[in-house]
Amino acid sequence: QVTLKESGPALVKPTQTLTVTCTFSGFSLNTSGMRVSWIRQPPGKALEWLARIDWDDDKLYSTSLKTRLTISKDTSKNQVVLTITNTDPVDTATYYCARWSARGGAMDVWGQGTTVTVSS
Amino acid sequence: DIQMTQSPSSLSASVGDRVTITCRASQSITIFLNWYQQKPGKAPKLLIYGASSLQSGVPSRFSGSGSGTDFTLTISSLQPEDFATYYCQQSYSTPTFGQGTRLEIK
Repeated sequence: QVTLKESGPALVKPTQTLTVTCTFSGFSLNTSGMRVSWIRQPPGKALEWLARIDWDDDKLYSTSLKTRLTISKDTSKNQVVLTITNTDPVDTATYYCARWSARGGAMDVWGQGTTVTVSS
Repeated sequence: DIQMTQSPSSLSASVGDRVTITCRASQSITIFLNWYQQKPGKAPKLLIYGASSLQSGVPSRFSGSGSGTDFTLTISSLQPEDFATYYCQQSYSTPTFGQGTRLEIK
């Protein structure tokens, strides 16, 4: 059974760096073709794709946010970490991680999400 | 980035209705189009991948079609559990989502 679970701080002050962690089970990021993405959703708004990391450590970032994002993996811990620098209240959102399926490039299994508020 | 535009933004329908949601890409994405369902307070759920392939476990009343720039998600006979928000997402290039279509009970 594939599961993913996000964790991170509930509150971050503006300009600080936000770090969210995705801990997964049921698959390995050492396996060829495996990928994990991060997606966020501000309250009452649409989904926004943020970043993806591949089994071979290739990375892809949102065009609009790439200067502020860093994605990394720790395969020994089955974790993927996303950092967002220089946070702003507009970064307030629920942050989801999801497994990226090779079929159609869809995100087929999602975590429950972790809610982060950026406020002073 | 490729822009994804869904229509309508919201829709009211009744149980048993046939419903169609449209997604248009700003350039051709061939069939790299996926559909998700999201209920309040829950994570999105994959319904359709590759424009028309039904994800395992998803009821057959859901179907997808289209290629190039124009795509549709159809629910053949609405059930009470289908009232939710639906998103399209392209994976042809750097992924982007549509703005969502909220499906409400009439």
